[in-house]
Amino acid sequence: GAVVSQHPSWVICKSGTSVKIECRSLDFQATTMFWYRQFPKKSLMLMATSNEGSKATYEQGVEKDKFLINHASLTLSTLTVTSAHPEDSSFYICSAPGQGRSYGYTFGSGTRLTVV
Amino acid sequence: QQQVKQSPQSLIVQKGGISIINCAYENTAFDYFPWYQQFPGKGPALLIAIRPDVSEKKEGRFTISFNKSAKQFSLHIMDSQPGDSATYFCAASKGSGGSNYKLTFGKGTLLTVNP
Repeated sequence: GAVVSQHPSWVICKSGTSVKIECRSLDFQATTMFWYRQFPKKSLMLMATSNEGSKATYEQGVEKDKFLINHASLTLSTLTVTSAHPEDSSFYICSAPGQGRSYGYTFGSGTRLTVV
Repeated sequence: QQQVKQSPQSLIVQKGGISIINCAYENTAFDYFPWYQQFPGKGPALLIAIRPDVSEKKEGRFTISFNKSAKQFSLHIMDSQPGDSATYFCAASKGSGGSNYKLTFGKGTLLTVNP
């Protein structure tokens, strides 16, 4: 089945530094990647939608300069949290519409970001 | 405006019992209704999904019941096991897979199955 590989699974960084999260579609081409943020015991909040070869579309209230998304190839999308602050600490998850059961959406395993 | 309302927020079931989680949606353009299971620290995993042209879909111990007129759908977990303890999310979209339509999620249900 379709697999989206997300790395790293967890990262701790110092305040003010930048962190890059990668999502790769391993056995299919992902022309679109959705990026979510999830707070503890909460639902997934869509941050942005990236499309290969074009600019990402950000949801209302999401700072595009803070959360840089690049979708340079059909198998790789990245989210860079720039100048991270403790309030950016969260669980970030990517998802691609693809070839899973019922043609569902395949999710990455998530990245736990902690900014200290 | 929350487009997919999920209840209950939490649920405790004894081993072997039936777990039932309900969702209601507002947008009649939705035509794909998946359920996801999420364990702590992991991404959501697709459990089962349904389209509005059928009223029920069963896969193993998991069943989706769909009521188009009421705009409601529910997940039934038969013979619930401690390993089913997780957070369950319902979702809806105007399409699926390659259609690139984004999912709208419910707020989630934390299921605990006691041994």
